[in-house]
Amino acid sequence: DAKTTQPPSMDCAEGRAANLPCNHSTISGNEYVYWYRQIHSQGPQYIIHGLKNNETNEMASLIITEDRKSSTLILPHATLRDTAVYYCIVRVGGDSWGKLQFGAGTQVVVTP
Amino acid sequence: EAQVTQNPRYLITVTGKKLTVTCSQNMNHEYMSWYRQDPGLGLRQIYYSMNVEVTDKGDVPEGYKVSRKEKRNFPLILESPSPNQTSLYFCASSNLNTEAFFGQGTRLTVV
Repeated sequence: DAKTTQPPSMDCAEGRAANLPCNHSTISGNEYVYWYRQIHSQGPQYIIHGLKNNETNEMASLIITEDRKSSTLILPHATLRDTAVYYCIVRVGGDSWGKLQFGAGTQVVVTP
Repeated sequence: EAQVTQNPRYLITVTGKKLTVTCSQNMNHEYMSWYRQDPGLGLRQIYYSMNVEVTDKGDVPEGYKVSRKEKRNFPLILESPSPNQTSLYFCASSNLNTEAFFGQGTRLTVV
């Protein structure tokens, strides 16, 4: 499975957009990019995922580069409740679908 | 409400006393898995299951057992807990090509 690289931490002002980068340069054609976040010690929460195209939902947008070697999670208007650790994960289908490999993630702190 | 339920949420036990942490999901998911989270080491997978009676080791399976006799349940068994198994445990479930849902966690302390 492809590994991911994320910056360890990031600060963001409340109300501004937060752009979280992720490098997955060894990603394979059939691997999805998933984003989760973990608020304090709660269970990780799904945010968004994509394969090739950019995606948007009510929580965030996901921009995947054309070569798929990196992606950016965008929180359009960060709030204090968005303070969390954000994980970028690549997943492959089949029997390995259940194997989520979490890295260290990015600690995002949203400040007033 | 779709959810993954873990019990207990908190547990303090003594070394060597067998324990079971239960995990149940109500979404008819095929895939279920267990993780432990430790400071500085992040989330690491212990075991996962692709369906009933099908399980496989994750990255840190030593000292743990699992079983998947029913689709909705995936208990984690510690036959002889040791202090190095003190950790925060999460159960997760999903179907193929869908997002994983996580439980709220079980904080285990082994003294």
